[in-house]
Amino acid sequence: QEKVQQSPESLIVPEGAMVSLNCSFSDSASQSIWWYQQHPGKGPKALISIFSNGNKKEGRLTVYLNRASLHVSLHIKDSQPSDSAVYLCAVSKDYGSSGNKLIFGIGTLLSVKP
Amino acid sequence: NAGVIQTPRHKVTGKGQEATLWCEPISGHSAVFWYRQTIVQGLEFLTYFRNQAPIDDSGMPKERFSAQMPNQSHSTLKIQSTQPQDSAVYLCASSFRGTQDTQYFGPGTRLLVL
Repeated sequence: QEKVQQSPESLIVPEGAMVSLNCSFSDSASQSIWWYQQHPGKGPKALISIFSNGNKKEGRLTVYLNRASLHVSLHIKDSQPSDSAVYLCAVSKDYGSSGNKLIFGIGTLLSVKP
Repeated sequence: NAGVIQTPRHKVTGKGQEATLWCEPISGHSAVFWYRQTIVQGLEFLTYFRNQAPIDDSGMPKERFSAQMPNQSHSTLKIQSTQPQDSAVYLCASSFRGTQDTQYFGPGTRLLVL
């Protein structure tokens, strides 16, 4: 059973700070890794995904994947109060004929203070 | 584009009653997913349809939960004889083709079983 662990559980940063969120997974054969953002009372929203080892940058977001260490991180540059939300790491795992399935971590609660 | 629509947004039922939750996927999306979200367990996969056909129901509690997709514009999740432990936010998501595409989530239905 794939396990996805996220750290820290919560984080408070001042506006403009760089934010680093961590996610570890248990199966190196996992497919893509996704990061979702969830605001209170809303559904999760996909932010960025990565498949290959290395990094991927989109706007203020950079994600780093290291399959050997089963670790992925999300970095948010120049954080804004609107970035305050729960960030969910999800691992896409291949289940054969059923296709891929997203296995989610519990999430990290980010609060960006003005 | 209205996004994924879920109704009702909130539902309160008494123990033993039936609850039916509705989901309208994004027009043109052929895959529909149901998830359940609680504080303790996080976001858990329940079931998945592609082109209205059930593909994977491995996350569904066997006896009281059922899901259907009678047409391409809506899916339902039915819980019979609701129990307090069924209290959760039920999220519906859709994607363009299937499990490897970005999943777009609705706002969820918050179910409270008293």
